[in-house]
Amino acid sequence: EPEVTQTPSHQVTQMGQEVILRCVPISNHLYFYWYRQILGQKVEFLVSFYNNEISEKSEIFDDQFSVERPDGSNFTLKIRSTKLEDSAMYFCASSETGIGYTFGSGTRLTVV
Amino acid sequence: EDQVTQSPEALRLQEGESSSLNCSYTVSGLRGLFWYRQDPGKGPEFLFTLYSAGEEKEKERLKATLTKKESFLHITAPKPEDSATYLCAVPGYQGGSEKLVFGKGTKLTVNP
Repeated sequence: EPEVTQTPSHQVTQMGQEVILRCVPISNHLYFYWYRQILGQKVEFLVSFYNNEISEKSEIFDDQFSVERPDGSNFTLKIRSTKLEDSAMYFCASSETGIGYTFGSGTRLTVV
Repeated sequence: EDQVTQSPEALRLQEGESSSLNCSYTVSGLRGLFWYRQDPGKGPEFLFTLYSAGEEKEKERLKATLTKKESFLHITAPKPEDSATYLCAVPGYQGGSEKLVFGKGTKLTVNP
């Protein structure tokens, strides 16, 4: 069964450093998403991406965050200057139609 | 604002003891309701989509139902491998793509 692949599975970074989280969505999917889940809290929407541009973003997705689809297969989330409160599980998801997602297994980001 | 509330927060069952999980929602026009299963340290795994009141979907020991204000996930004769957190989500439509608004989930533990 097709799956969404995320790397790395766990990333530890120093506060203030830049991190890039990587995702390979399912190949025929057109809609891409990033969500995050702080330990013990809800899964929260960050951003959606369609037709090579951001289609929607949450208030969490401020100027420190950016997304990119650098080639035909990868989808990345960059955090420019990490803060302690950015520590969370980050999930990439993709969808063929925009309804009904497949999520990746996530990247656990720990900011120290 | 679109909201999803799940209850109970946690549920412990003995193997074979059937029960139901509840998801109540407040949205401006339901465009579907999604159930996901989440194992510790993993991404949400899609279970069901329901679109209209009265609709039911089944998969193995799970059955999801939908009314105009809530959805139930019925678990019949659960097994220990059904232990997971079950998440409910609705599309919170803004702009051109369907972000998902999640509930906090119900953590199900099935004891052998």
